[in-house]
Amino acid sequence: AQKITQTQPGMFVQEKEAVTLDCTYDTSDQSYGLFWYKQPSSGEMIFLIYQGSYDEQNATEGRYSLNFQKARKSANLVISASQLGDSAMYFCAMRLWGTGNTGKLIFGQGTTLQVKP
Amino acid sequence: EAGVTQSPTHLIKTRGQQATLRCSPISGHTSVYWYQQALGLGLQFLLWYDEGEERNRGNFPPRFSGRQFPNYSSELNVNALELEDSALYLCASSPRLDSYNEQFFGPGTRLTVL
Repeated sequence: AQKITQTQPGMFVQEKEAVTLDCTYDTSDQSYGLFWYKQPSSGEMIFLIYQGSYDEQNATEGRYSLNFQKARKSANLVISASQLGDSAMYFCAMRLWGTGNTGKLIFGQGTTLQVKP
Repeated sequence: EAGVTQSPTHLIKTRGQQATLRCSPISGHTSVYWYQQALGLGLQFLLWYDEGEERNRGNFPPRFSGRQFPNYSSELNVNALELEDSALYLCASSPRLDSYNEQFFGPGTRLTVL
């Protein structure tokens, strides 16, 4: 079965420090994509970063990087130089491509990140 | 470029009534997705439309239905509302059926069933 696991319900980080949010996934498909979204208290889901299963290099987008370890089936999000505006819920998600493409994103339960001044 | 829009922002209904939620995708996107985010249950996939056709639906009862119009906007209908239907309903869009793209989300409609 396809599944995303985020084991950290809540995290604290000091402003300007780096933080890692954990994500592990489970699938037997070879073709898939991994996503991270940010959900502020307003509710809108904001796309942060994407990693394809065939991508050899870790994805980076500004202060966000994805630590992709395929053999361990993990896709951790690293936020560098945390800012107060980073306080939000963060979701890891997976979508299957190819013949397994059902269109849906499979989400983890989320991690609430609070940045302390 | 305008993002995904949803209306209404908030909707209050009573048990047994029907609710209609609307979504307009990003211009040029043909795929629309609906998700339910209920308290304590995380984000659950509801429906996927592309080019006017329903491509997939999640594990929800038939009283959850929808459609996609020729301009690619979409409507989600929930009949015979139950208290547990109270949730944030998120709509997302992506360029087309087979695009390896992220889904872009709208701000959501918060449905409250009394």
